[in-house]
Formats: sequence, structure tokens, C-alpha cells
Amino acid sequence: AQSVSQHNHHVILSEAASLELGCNYSYGGTVNLFWYVQYPGQHLQLLLKYFSGDPLVKGIKGFEAEFIKSKFSFNLRKPSVQWSDTAEYFCAVNPTSGTYKYIFGTGTRLKVLA
Amino acid sequence: EAQVTQNPRYLITVTGKKLTVTCSQNMNHEYMSWYRQDPGLGLRQIYYSMNVEVTDKGDVPEGYKVSRKEKRNFPLILESPSPNQTSLYFCASSLYRTATEAFFGQGTRLTVV
Repeated sequence: AQSVSQHNHHVILSEAASLELGCNYSYGGTVNLFWYVQYPGQHLQLLLKYFSGDPLVKGIKGFEAEFIKSKFSFNLRKPSVQWSDTAEYFCAVNPTSGTYKYIFGTGTRLKVLA
Repeated sequence: EAQVTQNPRYLITVTGKKLTVTCSQNMNHEYMSWYRQDPGLGLRQIYYSMNVEVTDKGDVPEGYKVSRKEKRNFPLILESPSPNQTSLYFCASSLYRTATEAFFGQGTRLTVV
């Protein structure tokens, strides 16, 4: 079955701490990979995406993610979080074939303490 | 400004009273979809559309209908809402089927009592 797993449901960090959020997917074919962020009361916004090429991708606000094909993983990282990073983070995959679909993980709520 | 616009943002209704949530995008995108977001379940696709008059079921289509009569609009229809459809709904659009970003609307928080 097609699925995306985010193992960390809630994460609490202090400002300046480093962040890594895990994302693993289960899909038999090729996918495009995304991280979206949802600030409180707002819609989802794209943080970064991977389609092909360098597996280390950089996004907005200092976030980066690394695609490890052998592990079906696309973990999100940030060296030093800020209070304004408090939000919910969603990993998503978009299969390159088949029906039109973005498959989302269940999300990780990040709270950054000032 | 490129955007996906949903209306209403908040809606409280009673069981069985038909309602429509509108979605409009101004980016000339071919692909549009509806998701519901529930705690602990993430976003699940309800319906999608690949072009005018072309729609198909997503993962959780029961109790919903959609239509795509114009490229920019993709309304979500609940013919007879039930309490288990209380959720946060997002409309999204993208230019291509794959290798492209999905743009999301602001969301519609629906409560069915």
C-alpha cells in the first residue's frame, strides 16, 4: 500500500537547537518528494521539493532535506530552529505515474520554546 | 497574486442540509483536488480533477461530490452532511500531474451538528 510515515508526532525544542524530522515512504515506483509547513491557522506552504538530481535539497527559511533512495527516506533538517518555526510539518510524495495524487504523512507538530 | 481561494472559511451546519464549498484558482492549473485534514490522519484526498469535466475519486470520496465545469473552479458538494464529515478541508491545484508543486487554499473548517 502507498503510505508516508512520519515517526515524530510531536517535537519540542528550544531555540537554536537542531531539528531533524523523519519521513519514510512506501511506494513501488518513482516519486517526487515534498515537505510542506502549516503555521497555526494557515494553509499548507511548500518548504522544499525533490524531483531529481542532487539528493540534498535546500528550501526556504534555512530548511534542507536529504533523499536517500535506498532507505525510502526524505528527512527534513534545520541546524538552528527559531520560535517562528513553530508549526506542523507534512511530508508528501507524488507518484510520477498512475493517478493524480499527493500522499501525505500524518504530520509532525513542532513547538519551539523561546 | 497567484492563489487558491476557498469559501467559506468556517461553516457550521446541521445534519442533512446540503452545502457547497467553493474553490477557485487563478493560475490556469489543469489539476485540482480536495483534501480533508483530521488530527492524527494527515491530509487525505477526497476527489481530484485532471481537467474540465474530468474528475475521479480519491481515497475518501464517500459522502462527497464534485464538479469541474470551468477550469478555475472545483466546488465540493456535501449532499447530506453527517457529523463524521466534520473536518478541515483544503482545495489544492497544480499545473501538471507530477513534478510540480501543489498550491493550497486557506482551508474551510466545517462542523456538522
